Order: sequence, then C-alpha cells, then structure tokens
Amino acid sequence: ILNVEQSPQSLHVQEGDSTNFTCSFPSSNFYALHWYRWETAKSPEALFVMTLNGDEKKKGRISATLNTKEGYSYLYIKGSQPEDSATYLCAFIAGGGADGLTFGKGTHLIIQP
Amino acid sequence: DAGITQSPRHKVTETGTPVTLRCHQTENHRYMYWYRQDPGHGLRLIHYSYGVKDTDKGEVSDGYSVSRSKTEDFLLTLESATSSQTSVYFCAISEVGSTSWNYGYTFGSGTRLTVV
Repeated sequence: ILNVEQSPQSLHVQEGDSTNFTCSFPSSNFYALHWYRWETAKSPEALFVMTLNGDEKKKGRISATLNTKEGYSYLYIKGSQPEDSATYLCAFIAGGGADGLTFGKGTHLIIQP
Repeated sequence: DAGITQSPRHKVTETGTPVTLRCHQTENHRYMYWYRQDPGHGLRLIHYSYGVKDTDKGEVSDGYSVSRSKTEDFLLTLESATSSQTSVYFCAISEVGSTSWNYGYTFGSGTRLTVV
C-alpha cells in the first residue's frame, strides 16, 4: 500500500491571507502527482497533474510545485477567498500510470471572512 | 460531469442483501475506477478496469466484485452487504492522452449507500 500524507489535516485562514499545504509521497516508481479540489456534496475536481521534477503549475490564485526526488508537493493559495473553502486532495500514481490514484486524506481549508 | 453518471444516487439496503452500483460513461475511456470515501480515510481504491473484461483489485477490494462487459459500464457489486460498507462510492474515468489523463480524472457524482 502506497503512503500519501497530507498536512495539515485542517486549516483556518483569514480572507485575504495566503496559505500553503504539503503532500508527501513515495519518491520511487513515480508517474504523476494529482491535486484535486473537493467541495462538500460535490465530486472531486482536478486542479493539476504534475509529472516532472521541478514542475510548477498555476491556475489563477492557486499554484503547485513538485519535487519527485524527495517526494513532496506544495499547493499554494494566494489571497484566499471564501470560495476557496474546500478539501484539497493530493493523489500519487506509480508505474505506468494506469493502476489508479492513491489519495492522501486531504487538507480541509476553511476561509474565515 | 456530463460524461459519467452513477446510479443510484442514494440507496438504503439491509445487511446480507446483494447490491449493485452502476457507473456509466459516454467518453469511451478505457480506464474506470471505483473508490469509496469514508471519514478519516479519504478516497480508497476498491477495483479498477483497464478494458472490457479486464479488471484488478485495489486497496480495499474484500467484499466487492466488479464487472465490465461493455466499455461504457463498470458495475460494482456487494455480494452480501455489511454495515462496514456504508459509504459514499465514487466512480472515475481516464484514458491515456485524454484530458482526464493529462489534467486529472473525471469523477461521477457519487452513490451514497447505507447498509442497515
């Protein structure tokens, strides 16, 4: 069983502040690292798929970095807004990429007005 | 998402009864996955399929079986439901070179199953 760890488990942030959280994953047999945003009562929605060491991806105020050699990824949110409140999941995929994602337990982010 | 639907959306069943959940996709994707979501555990892979009649076990496959007789349908069966199988079940799809491969899996809306 692959071990994907996310920290912190939950986070309260004031509106307008920036924040970041961590995903750690096995550094061997790496194929890709996914980030998803998951709002209550909805389906997970893909944010980024990262495949190369040193990758940096950005979508609006959200960005992510990847270090495959040491097995970690950071997700950053700049200028948090109430609509950013959600659970953020990272997921690791090994081997050839077809065996399914192994998810971390998520970081539950609450933006306080 | 429009290309993937799960049915039923909600189901209550009694312990010991068989239950089948359906995932239907219109994207012609080869890879389909069943996950369960439980508090404190996140999403865990139950079974997956890499083509018609080709399936494999995931992390938490005990008590579940799957079938894929057509590209578009992936069925998850609980042979004899137990209370520990009360959960929300998500189906996901992907295909090499597709948007879902390069930009993330596409998930269904989920099935909330309660075993009483």
